[in-house]
Amino acid sequence: KAGVTQTPRYLIKTRGQQVTLSCSPISGHRSVSWYQQTPGQGLQFLFEYFSETQRNKGNFPGRFSGRQFSNSRSEMNVSTLELGDSALYLCASSLLVDRADGYTFGSGTRLTVV
Amino acid sequence: KQEVTQIPAALSVPEGENLVLNCSFTDSAIYNLQWFRQDPGKGLTSLLLIQSSQREQTSGRLNASLDKSSGRSTLYIAASQPGDSATYLCAVGTGGFKTIFGAGTRLFVKA
Repeated sequence: KAGVTQTPRYLIKTRGQQVTLSCSPISGHRSVSWYQQTPGQGLQFLFEYFSETQRNKGNFPGRFSGRQFSNSRSEMNVSTLELGDSALYLCASSLLVDRADGYTFGSGTRLTVV
Repeated sequence: KQEVTQIPAALSVPEGENLVLNCSFTDSAIYNLQWFRQDPGKGLTSLLLIQSSQREQTSGRLNASLDKSSGRSTLYIAASQPGDSATYLCAVGTGGFKTIFGAGTRLFVKA
């Protein structure tokens, strides 16, 4: 059974560019959550999607956006990249609507902004 | 507002020692609590998930307990090994489909 797949694994972008990250949840999982992890701030919640609807959103600027497709795959987009956006971006999926089954995480995408 | 705290922030122990990691939360109205381990630069690996109606869960050398009334969970690691070296995070599931993470405890097991 395939786990949560995040692509690409590594990415280097230039300040001012935009980037799109992809997350394929475990088959059958309809909830997908995104987190940003940096050494100084720890894990910070970006947003959660359930059945193509954004259910929760963290305190990030509008440059960060996401969406979920009908097959539950999710993408997040960051526009006008800043140096401070360099981080490990983690995606997690859950099966149950109330997430009583907890999270299963992907391996993450390491984004470096230069 | 739910807050999750993990103490200590870092811990170094000799191989073979039994150890306890702590996770405390401010609001006892939780749905579940999940323990993860994270190796440097990698994603989070789920270790144990405890539902709000449960008191503990066990997997191999790991045992996690939950005491909602006191707002505490502990992760017990028996006979620690160098391979257990990692950062351990707890995550509390709360109302509104939200999950709050602690900052983690960085564990180093010396051979």
